[in-house]
Amino acid sequence: DTAVSQTPKYLVTQMGNDKSIKCEQNLGHDTMYWYKQDSKKFLKIMFSYNNKELIINETVPNRFSPKSPDKAHLNLHINSLELGDSAVYFCASSPRRDRPNYNEQFFGPGTRLTVL
Amino acid sequence: QKEVEQDPGPLSVPEGAIVSLNCTYSNSAFQYFMWYRQYSRKGPELLMYTYSSGNKEDGRFTAQVDKSSKYISLFIRDSQPSDSATYLCAMLINYGQNFVFGPGTRLSVLP
Repeated sequence: DTAVSQTPKYLVTQMGNDKSIKCEQNLGHDTMYWYKQDSKKFLKIMFSYNNKELIINETVPNRFSPKSPDKAHLNLHINSLELGDSAVYFCASSPRRDRPNYNEQFFGPGTRLTVL
Repeated sequence: QKEVEQDPGPLSVPEGAIVSLNCTYSNSAFQYFMWYRQYSRKGPELLMYTYSSGNKEDGRFTAQVDKSSKYISLFIRDSQPSDSATYLCAMLINYGQNFVFGPGTRLSVLP
């Protein structure tokens, strides 16, 4: 069974549109993340949620809004898409910080977003 | 200077070679040092990690951390074509949640 899943896998859209990416984990983890990986493979953290609470919010345009309805789900909504938003977006999860293996992060398969 | 630097490669080696992948970092507060493998069009998967300094071995893979030099390495012995992937180092401070990744090294192992 897939540990961290994301939908959709591919997303092609026009500039100015609004889109959402969904993420679910079945590992029982408390912490979830969104990362952006650019064309040079550089993986940069965008947001981190700990049991539905926003913990990390890196310098990301406020067009990006994460939403965590429960600790197993973390969705990413993007408004007014721009060309520069084209990238692969990865969801990840890890155990909570008081666990000895909290540094073990599991990634989803990624969502390849192309903005035309 | 980026917080974590990594030679982007690409690195091409013949099958059976010993591969050395390296990262340097600037934040002395990092305590967890992870290595991820990412196949093309897939998500990164955790290979192994070390806490603080020292070595760790897992099969053909050995991770080394030298905190005094702020330098970490991943060695792959008897490399196989299936090892062809991008290798990402990542670091974390104690009790932190902000994983900082290197830019990745693309490795090709040629049969």
